[in-house]
Amino acid sequence: GAGVSQSPSNKVTEKGKDVELRCDPISGHTALYWYRQSLGQGLEFLIYFQGNSAPDKSGLPSDRFSAERTGGSVSTLTIQRTQQEDSAVYLCASSLLGGREPQHFGDGTRLSIL
Amino acid sequence: GNSVTQMEGPVTLSEEAFLTINCTYTATGYPSLFWYVQYPGEGLQLLLKATKADDKGSNKGFEATYRKETTSFHLEKGSVQVSDSAVYFCALSWSNAGGTSYGKLTFGQGTILTVHP
Repeated sequence: GAGVSQSPSNKVTEKGKDVELRCDPISGHTALYWYRQSLGQGLEFLIYFQGNSAPDKSGLPSDRFSAERTGGSVSTLTIQRTQQEDSAVYLCASSLLGGREPQHFGDGTRLSIL
Repeated sequence: GNSVTQMEGPVTLSEEAFLTINCTYTATGYPSLFWYVQYPGEGLQLLLKATKADDKGSNKGFEATYRKETTSFHLEKGSVQVSDSAVYFCALSWSNAGGTSYGKLTFGQGTILTVHP
């Protein structure tokens, strides 16, 4: 079956622009996660959606970052007024029920801010 | 807060050598522990997991045992292959005493493994 799909795979944009990153989780997975992988900070949790519950936004680094998940499926991570320190690989993962269930990762979106 | 510390890399081994990558953690409650692997040019994949103390996770010849007394989850393989060259991440997700599990993962910094023929 299809895995977690992320688009675009690469994004280059100018500082100050807004970007949207998309994640299509595995069908039927109720939990969806966003992480960021950067050289300086390693792998960091950003946000977690579980079913219809309010998302856990505790990892978002600033109010320029937001995410939504529509219809319990596709998720979009939006970064407003991008800064150079936002350059990283943004990873999406999904799991069947959340909690201790293994997470299945997409290949990520490599974001470069000029 | 929760944290995971991995041995610093990179680690370079010859084929058929024994591998150990150390991982220790700090967490309250009842964490579940994971090893993820990232092969060159690919996404993160779950390698193995353990959800309670003394559990042993195993997959593809790799093993790790959840040691609560030493707060460790070291990854081992008896005979590595060139195809094992990858970045390995130790991670935890936390559960409270009531059994509610919070799925977000806290990762170690990753260990680069290179295996030469």
